[in-house]
Amino acid sequence: ILNVEQSPQSLHVQEGDSTNFTCSFPPSNFYALHWYRWETAKSPEALFVMTLNGDEKKKGRISATLNTKEGYSYLYIKGSQPEDSATYLCAYPYGGSQGNLIFGKGTKLSVKP
Amino acid sequence: DTGVSQNPRHKITKRGQNVTFRCDPISEHNRLYWYRQTLGQGPEFLTYFQNEAQLEKSRLLSDRFSAERPKGSFSTLEIQRTEQGDSAMYLCASSRTGYHEQYFGPGTRLTVT
Repeated sequence: ILNVEQSPQSLHVQEGDSTNFTCSFPPSNFYALHWYRWETAKSPEALFVMTLNGDEKKKGRISATLNTKEGYSYLYIKGSQPEDSATYLCAYPYGGSQGNLIFGKGTKLSVKP
Repeated sequence: DTGVSQNPRHKITKRGQNVTFRCDPISEHNRLYWYRQTLGQGPEFLTYFQNEAQLEKSRLLSDRFSAERPKGSFSTLEIQRTEQGDSAMYLCASSRTGYHEQYFGPGTRLTVT
């Protein structure tokens, strides 16, 4: 049974702080690792799909790294803004690169102005 | 708007009633997924379709649940004889064969009283 773990469960930071979250997953039979941002009352939004060990992807102030050998990924937010407040989910496809996603419980980020 | 749409966005029903939700995927996407998210958990896979064929069902999908995608376009998820434990956010996602990314709709929040 695949288990995707995320930490911390929640995080409260001040505007301008940089922060990071962790996602751990089973390292065997790795296909891909997805990061989503889910704001209240909106659709989960895909941030990154990471496929290669050592991958580092960036989108504005958000970046992510991947270590498939040890089974973890980090998501970094530089200079957090109130609009970054959301739940950040990571997910692992089961049974193949396009399989159904196994999600972690998410990290809920609150950024205070 | 060419994203994934779901209707209704909210549904309140009494225990024992039947409910049906609809998902309209992105038009060129042949895969369609249903997930359910309960409080404090990440989304959990329920079922998925490739075109009109339902290819996989989770054991979470009891006999009271049925999903269809009759023409390989929109999909419906019906819950018969709803129970309080069915209260959750029901998410739909779509993707294209050969691509990792799943694109999510905003979800239907079901409350069973």
